[in-house]
This record gives sequence, C-alpha cells and structure tokens, in this order.
Amino acid sequence: GQQVMQIPQYQHVQEGEDFTTYCNSSTTLSNIQWYKQRPGGHPVFLIQLVKSGEVKKQKRLTFQFGEAKKNSSLHITATQTTDVGTYFCACAYNFNKFYFGSGTKLNVKP
Amino acid sequence: NAGVTQTPKFQVLKTGQSMTLQCAQDMNHNSMYWYRQDPGMGLRLIYYSASEGTTDKGEVPNGYNVSRLNKREFSLRLESAAPSQTSVYFCASTILGVETQYFGPGTRLLVL
Repeated sequence: GQQVMQIPQYQHVQEGEDFTTYCNSSTTLSNIQWYKQRPGGHPVFLIQLVKSGEVKKQKRLTFQFGEAKKNSSLHITATQTTDVGTYFCACAYNFNKFYFGSGTKLNVKP
Repeated sequence: NAGVTQTPKFQVLKTGQSMTLQCAQDMNHNSMYWYRQDPGMGLRLIYYSASEGTTDKGEVPNGYNVSRLNKREFSLRLESAAPSQTSVYFCASTILGVETQYFGPGTRLLVL
C-alpha cells in the first residue's frame, strides 16, 4: 500500500505559539487534503492542494504543497485554544482514493 | 439538508454476529466512502463507491462487504464480527470533480 507519514504525532504549545505539521508520501500525489478532527467528532475538511508548489492561506492557517508533490505542511500562526484537535493529511494518488496520515494531535495551553 | 447521516451511533456485538452499518447523504454526491478509525490513528479506507453501481476495495477490505443501494445510500456489512473490528466507522461522500469529503458523525462499534 501507499506510505503516508505525518509528523509530529503530538504537539503541545502555549497559546500564541506557532504550530506546524508535516505530511510525506513515498510516491507522487495527485492532490492532498487537510482535515481537522475535534475530540469525539468527525473529520472536517480544511483545504485541498493540487498544484506543485501551491501555497494557500486561511486566516492564521498556511498550507503548502511541495514542488515534487510528495510532501505538504500545515502551519498555524499564533495558536488559539480553538485550534485544539487532531490534524490529518489525506493523500490521493488517483483523485478518487485517499490515504490518511496518522494525524498530529495539537494541544494548546491557555 | 442533513448532510451525511449514519446509523446506528453505537453498537455492541458478540464475536461471530453480523450487522449492517447504514449511511445516507442528501447532497446528491456521486462518490461515497467507508473508513475505520482505530484509537490514536488516522482513517483507513475500507471500501469506496465512485458512482452508483460501482464499488472498489480500499486498504483494509477483509471481513467487510458493501452495497451501493442507490445514489444516496451506501451500506457496510460485517458478516462475522471479530474483536479486531472494534473501531469507529465513518462514512463520507464527495461530488465528482471536487473531492471535498463530507463525513458523517460515525458509528462506534465494540465487538466482544
């Protein structure tokens, strides 16, 4: 099967600090998506990246897709307690089928 | 507009019992998916249906069967439940060409 690695597994930050999670694939992706899951909840779509080198921003969140389309990152500037949850990447190799990373659990201390 | 609904919310089974998890979406989406999520892990694709009348295996299909009953409904069946199938099961749907996955609330299954 496809290899998707996501690091770190956990991240504890003080409110106001930045946070980054990384997703790496062993093979080239067609696209990548990012999801957020709150404790006890279901994954909620954040964004999709398709183009090589693409950078997208949503308020304090910045998403990047690597030039080789094998890696991606999600960066949160000045974290807030509302950012608490687990962030997953979902990698697609043929647009229809997705392989999820194991997630990065973010805890924000007020 | 309820989005993606799943029934039941919780279920306890004994080893060897069978059950069907139901999923329905009212967004006129083409593709539907079944995932399982084990504690502290990401989601693993069990089966998916790119369109009505088609189904394909995902990463972990063994021990499961699916039926795409119509465009709205996609069910997952466990013929003979095993403790290794204890998990949270999520159904998702997408519209062709957009690929944003909308997830249901999940079914928490415990197999004793």
